Amino acid sequence: NAGVMQNPRHLVRRRGQEARLRCSPMKGHSHVYWYRQLPEEGLKFMVYLQKENIIDESGMPKERFSAEFPKEGPSILRIQQVVRGDSAAYFCASSLGTAANYGYTFGSGTRLTVV
Amino acid sequence: AQKITQTQPGMFVQEKEAVTLDCTYDTSDPSYGLFWYKQPSSGEMIFLIYQGSYDQQNATEGRYSLNFQKARKSANLVISASQLGDSAMYFCAMREGGNYQLIWGAGTKLIIKP
Repeated sequence: NAGVMQNPRHLVRRRGQEARLRCSPMKGHSHVYWYRQLPEEGLKFMVYLQKENIIDESGMPKERFSAEFPKEGPSILRIQQVVRGDSAAYFCASSLGTAANYGYTFGSGTRLTVV
Repeated sequence: AQKITQTQPGMFVQEKEAVTLDCTYDTSDPSYGLFWYKQPSSGEMIFLIYQGSYDQQNATEGRYSLNFQKARKSANLVISASQLGDSAMYFCAMREGGNYQLIWGAGTKLIIKP
């Protein structure tokens, strides 16, 4: 019973390139969330998706960032034209539902380094 | 205003001792959930324990227990008989009512000394 799978674990991109981060939720989970963690900080919410729908992207920068969760395949967080400030750990989590007692299961994260 | 406050940026504790990690929260929603996560140096985020606002008893999971004081809005994590493998960052987080967002504290770095 695999947990939340994220890949790659580490990603190095030059400024101006595109970064693509993938997340496969736990089996049976249809709610996916992306969080960003800057060094020495807690996580910050970016976007919440259900299959084929973006429910809330209020935490995601309006430019250069996009997310999708297609009917088939993993959820993708895409960052275009990366800048140094995008360097962070990006975590994906999934849950069964949105009630307060539904915890998240987190993936191991993708550490993006922009050089 | 901070919704989740962890006042201890770092802590050193002797192996086998108990340790308490502080967390205070701020919400006006009567329904909320409180979570503790562990982040070792390898980077993954590991769920430890959950406390619901309506739960009558403090949550326990093995060596982890949550000292939930609702009137004081505190949800401290207690680790009994600490082990070297407990060295990690520990984050307190909250979900309010039907809000799906987890709100995170800044974390406490715990180092267990042999």
